[in-house]
Amino acid sequence: DAMVIQNPRYQVTQFGKPVTLSCSQTLNHNVMYWYQQKSSQAPKLLFHYYDKDFNNEADTPDNFQSRRPNTSFCFLDIRSPGLGDAAMYLCATSRSGTGSNEQFFGPGTRLTVL
Amino acid sequence: QKEVEQNSGPLSVPEGAIASLNCTYSDRVSQSFFWYRQYSGKSPELIMSIYSNGDKEDGRFTAQLNKASQYVSLLIRDSQPSDSATYLCARVGSARQLTFGSGTQLTVLP
Repeated sequence: DAMVIQNPRYQVTQFGKPVTLSCSQTLNHNVMYWYQQKSSQAPKLLFHYYDKDFNNEADTPDNFQSRRPNTSFCFLDIRSPGLGDAAMYLCATSRSGTGSNEQFFGPGTRLTVL
Repeated sequence: QKEVEQNSGPLSVPEGAIASLNCTYSDRVSQSFFWYRQYSGKSPELIMSIYSNGDKEDGRFTAQLNKASQYVSLLIRDSQPSDSATYLCARVGSARQLTFGSGTQLTVLP
């Protein structure tokens, strides 16, 4: 089945220790998104790739970086995690040009910062 | 004013009843609207998309869109305990980004 996969599902890191979250997709979608969702809040867009073009949200901290080495994979790097970065990180994909921009989410990575 | 506002709930309905979830949005640019269902600890799941004024039905779900009133709703008929979740309304902005409402927590009581 075509899907969005995120690894790991649970990540525990220490304060200030870099962490990388990964996302892969078999949907062949050209747009990939990273969202942060904290408890009882709506998902918040961090950035997205439209093909190879990187689009950063204005209020995304510099501590968050992303890489997209190919169409299928996208990574979220948190350079120096703080306690406030503990959250669910969601990857989503969509196909441009369809006029709908339906976004499909992966299962998420739950990040704990000690 | 928030870009997307939902009736915050929580909302409780008895099993078999109709659950009505409402959402308003602040701009007239949006053309695409979505309802996502999110179970506790899980990721959002797309359940309905609507782009034109009027109603769109899919099984027990009906989405209604009124662009003039900037209003979108979701009706769940014959509600089941398995429908208990948080429902997120979302719309696409001018830069392809999805803006979510704060969500409505629905509980269907057996």
